[in-house]
Amino acid sequence: KNEVEQSPQNLTAQEGEFITINCSYSVGISALHWLQQHPGGGIVSLFMLSSGKKKHGRLIATINIQEKHSSLHITASHPRDSAVYICAGCKGGSEKLVFGKGTKLTVNP
Amino acid sequence: DTAVSQTPKYLVTQMGNDKSIKCEQNLGHDTMYWYKQDSKKFLKIMFSYNNKELIINETVPNRFSPKSPDKAHLNLHINSLELGDSAVYFCASRIQGVGEAFFGQGTRLTVV
Repeated sequence: KNEVEQSPQNLTAQEGEFITINCSYSVGISALHWLQQHPGGGIVSLFMLSSGKKKHGRLIATINIQEKHSSLHITASHPRDSAVYICAGCKGGSEKLVFGKGTKLTVNP
Repeated sequence: DTAVSQTPKYLVTQMGNDKSIKCEQNLGHDTMYWYKQDSKKFLKIMFSYNNKELIINETVPNRFSPKSPDKAHLNLHINSLELGDSAVYFCASRIQGVGEAFFGQGTRLTVV
């Protein structure tokens, strides 16, 4: 079992819909990163969080430490949000990132 | 200005050759990384350096040798390239223990 599990693997939405991507992680993960990989291949860091909630524009990330679960929400989704979203856990006490397998999001106009 | 830059972006080479990928960051970060993304798009850490010191060395064949001449640069040298080395290699940097990582644009290595 991977230390970081994401769901769903693929997600198709209509423009304007509210999107949620989930990430569960195992014991020993101290912080969580959400990354976005565009169709062109570049990777952009969206959030790093170890507690609570962060918001940037239409993106919201939450983490529940007790349940070892994080969610990435996209409000008012747009076709330009189409990308692969990757959850990555930072192993406590180290710089090692352990990656989920990614969620491929397609937002149709 | 590009924050984390990798060169080259594409690299096609024959089996058995030796090649290098260069990475530079101008963010003043103290920690740099090399990640490999396989054909299934799964990312995995290979190496991490903090202030030129190796701090993470995952189970990577010793044909792969990272070199950090200073904390702004982390190069990856690969000897005796094999078909299975074909992948996209990403460099990244951040301040150790703090904040988000910044990624380079990736180097697509194809071994033929």
